[in-house]
Amino acid sequence: KAGVTQTPRYLIKTRGQQVTLSCSPISGHRSVSWYQQTPGQGLQFLFEYFSETQRNKGNFPGRFSGRQFSNSRSEMNVSTLELGDSALYLCASSLTFVVTSGRTSSYNEQFFGPGTRLTVL
Amino acid sequence: KNEVEQSPQNLTAQEGEFITINCSYSVGISALHWLQQHPGGGIVSLFMLSSGKKKHGRLIATINIQEKHSSLHITASHPRDSAVYICAVLSYNTDKLIFGTGTRLQVFP
Repeated sequence: KAGVTQTPRYLIKTRGQQVTLSCSPISGHRSVSWYQQTPGQGLQFLFEYFSETQRNKGNFPGRFSGRQFSNSRSEMNVSTLELGDSALYLCASSLTFVVTSGRTSSYNEQFFGPGTRLTVL
Repeated sequence: KNEVEQSPQNLTAQEGEFITINCSYSVGISALHWLQQHPGGGIVSLFMLSSGKKKHGRLIATINIQEKHSSLHITASHPRDSAVYICAVLSYNTDKLIFGTGTRLQVFP
């Protein structure tokens, strides 16, 4: 099975521009999550999609948005780029989303893509 | 205070040494991940735990839910184990992954 793929792998933009990143999950996986990794803040959760619906969202401004298509592929968009948006953007796919019941979770392992390194000048 | 704390931040070892990386968290969790990130950025999930202990080859992960603590052990370390190891917990309340800041491990021959 092919792994999670992300395109493009590297991107350079200037402040004020907007950018769209793409993530193709492992075949059969229906959940896609996005993460931002910076040297200062580390890894932070952006959002999660399942069956074309945003299921969960992290604490990021509205400039960060995403969507998921019927084939489970996902895109994230950042508008009006700022210097601080320079980061490695990672997506991860899993079979389904989290279901919690008491202290037991039917949590499926996430498989990470290689990331898109975005530089904002 | 971060909700997920890892120690140490940096670790150097000689090949063959036994290594322990610790993770403490302050939130209720459904599961805990140990992740490995090599230079270049790719992340690999090593373990997903909700209780007890798991072992894959030379790697062992344990979790104590009552003490809100997990450890990752590497037996007979090897230079190819050099990477950043990240602890991440799945918050019981929010269903979101919260990440530790990572432990940078360098193993020298």
